[in-house]
Amino acid sequence: AQKITQTQPGMFVQEKEAVTLDCTYDTSDPSYGLFWYKQPSSGEMIFLIYQGSYDQQNATEGRYSLNFQKARKSANLVISASQLGDSAMYFCAMREVPINFGNEKLTFGTGTRLTIIP
Amino acid sequence: DTEVTQTPKHLVMGMTNKKSLKCEQHMGHRAMYWYKQKAKKPPELMFVYSYEKLSINESVPSRFSPECPNSSLLNLHLHALQPEDSALYLCASSLPSQETQYFGPGTRLLVL
Repeated sequence: AQKITQTQPGMFVQEKEAVTLDCTYDTSDPSYGLFWYKQPSSGEMIFLIYQGSYDQQNATEGRYSLNFQKARKSANLVISASQLGDSAMYFCAMREVPINFGNEKLTFGTGTRLTIIP
Repeated sequence: DTEVTQTPKHLVMGMTNKKSLKCEQHMGHRAMYWYKQKAKKPPELMFVYSYEKLSINESVPSRFSPECPNSSLLNLHLHALQPEDSALYLCASSLPSQETQYFGPGTRLLVL
């Protein structure tokens, strides 16, 4: 069963507008972590933001915020005031708490390709 | 500083060649990972090393052989690869007390 679902294969957004990238997840573990990564065409996976399942507040990092709705099992990424450099592939990922350190496994969604239009 | 370096950036090899990919980090991370990413797909985990010991092997074919000589260095030895092994190979690392994995820039591998 797919654990991370990103339903938007591609999005086009006007520069300076806000954009929301959708992510839903499925887990029966009460403790887990949710991540967003950005992958430009160069290939590097750039860490953007992290949300722990027990965190009370939504995570924010500069222009990035994570809209965490635990009951709905959603972890949408919001980018405010989009810039041309935001054009990239964006992956949502989940880490279920391992039995011990060293068994961390990230499960990635299929990604959303975001294109910012000047 | 959250820098993971990978060499080479690009690699072209024949099916009979032996080559190695190298990954290095100096952040004191004690877990290191190899991922394989095909075009237009998400990364797929291959191996995890924890405190220089192999902790996860995701049923990867033996033509891929990982090695962790020390806490800063991770290698992936390649031998008798197939054209379908052409992909972007990403290395990542993480701290014991943190969940976040930090990725390197990747090696783009083409097998002819």
